[in-house]
Amino acid sequence: SYELTQPLSVSVALGQTARITCGGNNIGSKNVHWYQQKPGQAPVLVIYRDSNRPSGIPERFSGSNSGNTATLTISRAQAGDEADYYCQVWDSSTNWVFGGGTKLTVL
Amino acid sequence: EVQLVESGGGLVKPGGSLRLSCAASGFTFSSYSMNWVRQAPGKGLEWVSSISSSSSYIYYADSVKGRFTISRDNAKNSLYLQMNSLRAEDTAVYYCARAMEYSSSPFDYWGQGTLVTVSS
Repeated sequence: SYELTQPLSVSVALGQTARITCGGNNIGSKNVHWYQQKPGQAPVLVIYRDSNRPSGIPERFSGSNSGNTATLTISRAQAGDEADYYCQVWDSSTNWVFGGGTKLTVL
Repeated sequence: EVQLVESGGGLVKPGGSLRLSCAASGFTFSSYSMNWVRQAPGKGLEWVSSISSSSSYIYYADSVKGRFTISRDNAKNSLYLQMNSLRAEDTAVYYCARAMEYSSSPFDYWGQGTLVTVSS
């Protein structure tokens, strides 16, 4: 079965750049989606198909995907960006897979 | 405005059954695939099941295969999840989520979730 690996936590200073990784075997060949989830709320799609932003998502959010690692980058981090972030891919053997999630702390 | 509203959660004993519903509005329900995703308390997201727009394609996570059944009624703009033989590890908030009808499409809208608690 296909697995996605995310760091449990990432910290970033206010105004700096946060990078959250998502590791998987040859993940660069898959479409990666990213979700933000704040406490008590439903997940929100922030990046789809590696690097595309849905309407309403700030340009500060960007994504990349190559080799065995996909990365969500949050520039000029704000306090409101504190949340859990999940990567997601479709795999033909496992169907939908989510990463374990990364808690972003803005210091 | 796209809206997805789950209902049907509650407390059920191990071995019991529950049927979740998801009422959709604000979009052409019959044109979208629909999905169930759950989140155990304090844990991450876990995909549960997906159904294509015409119910032609249905998929389940191994953890629920044979116990859960996903279905939809396009005339009623509704998605369902019939959960049988429930176990303590099925305790979670269950979200319904929409996806466009093409391979590996993201879940672009989510409901607020309904809590299922399996306990004696």
